[in-house]
Amino acid sequence: DAGITQSPRHKVTETGTPVTLRCHQTENHRYMYWYRQDPGHGLRLIHYSYGVKDTDKGEVSDGYSVSRSKTEDFLLTLESATSSQTSVYFCAISEAGTSGNTIYFGEGSWLTVV
Amino acid sequence: QQQVKQSPQSLIVQKGGISIINCAYENTAFDYFPWYQQFPGKGPALLIAIRPDVSEKKEGRFTISFNKSAKQFSLHIMDSQPGDSATYFCAASSGIKAAGNKLTFGGGTRVLVKP
Repeated sequence: DAGITQSPRHKVTETGTPVTLRCHQTENHRYMYWYRQDPGHGLRLIHYSYGVKDTDKGEVSDGYSVSRSKTEDFLLTLESATSSQTSVYFCAISEAGTSGNTIYFGEGSWLTVV
Repeated sequence: QQQVKQSPQSLIVQKGGISIINCAYENTAFDYFPWYQQFPGKGPALLIAIRPDVSEKKEGRFTISFNKSAKQFSLHIMDSQPGDSATYFCAASSGIKAAGNKLTFGGGTRVLVKP
């Protein structure tokens, strides 16, 4: 258990509305990530954070913004939800290990945009 | 553009058989290659990982084979069990020990082990 909590776990929202997903960690990890998972695409990085107020874009960042005002919380906002953003969103944290960068994922947030 | 290509998309294997999943990458800067296992409704969990300085790594019934010259790596599940039925993802990143590395994932393989 990597101490990652995502909320909400399931949400249905309407096109054009803003949506915020929350990731909370209890282990004080510096690095946090937001991925989306879609069939055939695996997981794709949306945004990541390397510290409080330090964030950067991933490969599929259009339409998303993030904020990290505290070490333990990393928020993902869909500024104006579209049907193409229907997906499963995973928050992750990472810690350096002797064999490489171990990334731990949360349980996921299922988002449906209608 | 997918930098890590995974095949097959799905496979069915009998209990006790061998499951083999293959991945190919393009970025020669990649130097860390983990495999993740995901059960329905759950997040992916790290299964096993390898660095390019070794050609094979084994943990229990799971083995990674790595071919640096071909830029390919594979996961072998020996003596497959029904409990191994899951989706498996290969991934890659660069900069082994830096905690901020970002993983690039393959598309996933859904494995079904029949009793």
